[in-house]
Amino acid sequence: NAGVTQTPKFRVLKTGQSMTLLCAQDMNHEYMYWYRQDPGMGLRLIHYSVGEGTTAKGEVPDGYNVSRLKKQNFLLGLESAAPSQTSVYFCASSLAGPNTEAFFGQGTRLTVV
Amino acid sequence: AQRVTQPEKLLSVFKGAPVELKCNYSYSGSPELFWYVQYSRQRLQLLLRHISRESIKGFTADLNKGETSFHLKKPFAQEEDSAMYYCALKGYQKVTFGTGTKLQVIP
Repeated sequence: NAGVTQTPKFRVLKTGQSMTLLCAQDMNHEYMYWYRQDPGMGLRLIHYSVGEGTTAKGEVPDGYNVSRLKKQNFLLGLESAAPSQTSVYFCASSLAGPNTEAFFGQGTRLTVV
Repeated sequence: AQRVTQPEKLLSVFKGAPVELKCNYSYSGSPELFWYVQYSRQRLQLLLRHISRESIKGFTADLNKGETSFHLKKPFAQEEDSAMYYCALKGYQKVTFGTGTKLQVIP
C-alpha cells in the first residue's frame, strides 16, 4: 500500500518554464490537497479537490492550476514558473467526513532560478 | 474563515522538561483539530486528533472552546521529540495549518 506518492521528488526550473507535479493516492480518498511549505509560513493551501472532476482555490492559488480527471490523481501545474514559487510542495488526501486525518506525500522540492 | 495560530516558531527545552506547544484557532463552526508532526527528512504524519482524546508518544492536547485553544503538552520531553509540529483545523472541506513550531530538545 503506497499511500500518497508525489512525482518528481526534486526539480529545478528556469523562470518562465512550465511543469506539472503529479500526486497519486491508492486509498480511494475523496479529498485531495496541494500545499506549499515555506520557512516561517507553514503549510499554505494552494488548491484542493473534493471529488473527481472538481477543484477549488485555496489560500495561494495564483500562478498554479490543477486538475482531477481521475479520483486517484491530482495534478498541480505551473504555467510560467517564477522564483517566488521556489518551495517544497506537499500533496495530501483524506476521506470525506468528520475527523478524518490527512495523509501526506513525501514532498517535491522545486527550485526556480 | 478558518485560521490557526501557532505563536512560537521555535521552542527549545531540556530533556526531561515539560513541553507545551501553543495553538489557537478561529472558526465559526464546530472545529475538528489535529496535531501533525514532521520529523527530519520524513513526511508529515498525524500525531493526534481532539476527538480521540488519546495520548500518543506521551503527548496530549485538550480542546478548550472557551479560549479557542488546542495546546499540545508532554510532561517530560525526550530527544526523539525534536521535530516540526503543526496544528491543523479541518473546516468545511478544507484543512488549514498553522505556521508550525520547531521543537528542539536539548540533551
